Amino acid sequence: DAGVTQSPTHLIKTRGQQVTLRCSPKSGHDTVSWYQQALGQGPQFIFQYYEEEERQRGNFPDRFSGHQFPNYSSELNVNALLLGDSALYLCASSLIWQGSSEQYFGPGTRLTVT
Amino acid sequence: EDKVVQSPLSLVVHEGDTVTLNCSYEVTNFRSLLWYKQEKKAPTFLFMLTSSGIEKKSGRLSSILDKKELSSILNITATQTGDSAIYLCAVEARTSYDKVIFGPGTSLSVIP
Repeated sequence: DAGVTQSPTHLIKTRGQQVTLRCSPKSGHDTVSWYQQALGQGPQFIFQYYEEEERQRGNFPDRFSGHQFPNYSSELNVNALLLGDSALYLCASSLIWQGSSEQYFGPGTRLTVT
Repeated sequence: EDKVVQSPLSLVVHEGDTVTLNCSYEVTNFRSLLWYKQEKKAPTFLFMLTSSGIEKKSGRLSSILDKKELSSILNITATQTGDSAIYLCAVEARTSYDKVIFGPGTSLSVIP
């Protein structure tokens, strides 16, 4: 039973570029949440997807967008990258009826913006 | 604004020591408090606490919630080098949708 997987593992981008990060949820899970974890900080909630729609959103600008596919996998897109976007991006999956307290995290994508 | 605070932010102890990590929160519509261990990348779940005064235990780790004081502690006894990690406290709040707010984490280093 595969857990949550994310790709790529590491990524280096230049300021102003655009990036797409990918997440496959744990088998059987239908909800995907994305978090940004800057160095020395706890994860910050970006948004959550369920039934291919953004269900709720944290305090992140519109440069951050996402998508969920019919197979429940998800993408996080960040446009016009800033140096401050450098962080570990974590994906977490869960079942909608269990709530976010039962979420499982993926290994993350380390994004470096130069 | 919902907030989770942890202390200390970092801690260095020797193997065999006992440590206590603190978490306090200000959250509307509290649902549960969660503890995670983050060694390299993915946070791994340790405990979920919903009721005040009930201790959860797993081996050398234990945690208790005080809903009156809006706080929780995580205790680790007889620490080992493998306990070195970031310990994250998070609170789940039930609003229109459930959301999870994380604290900054406590970085624990256990030296031989």
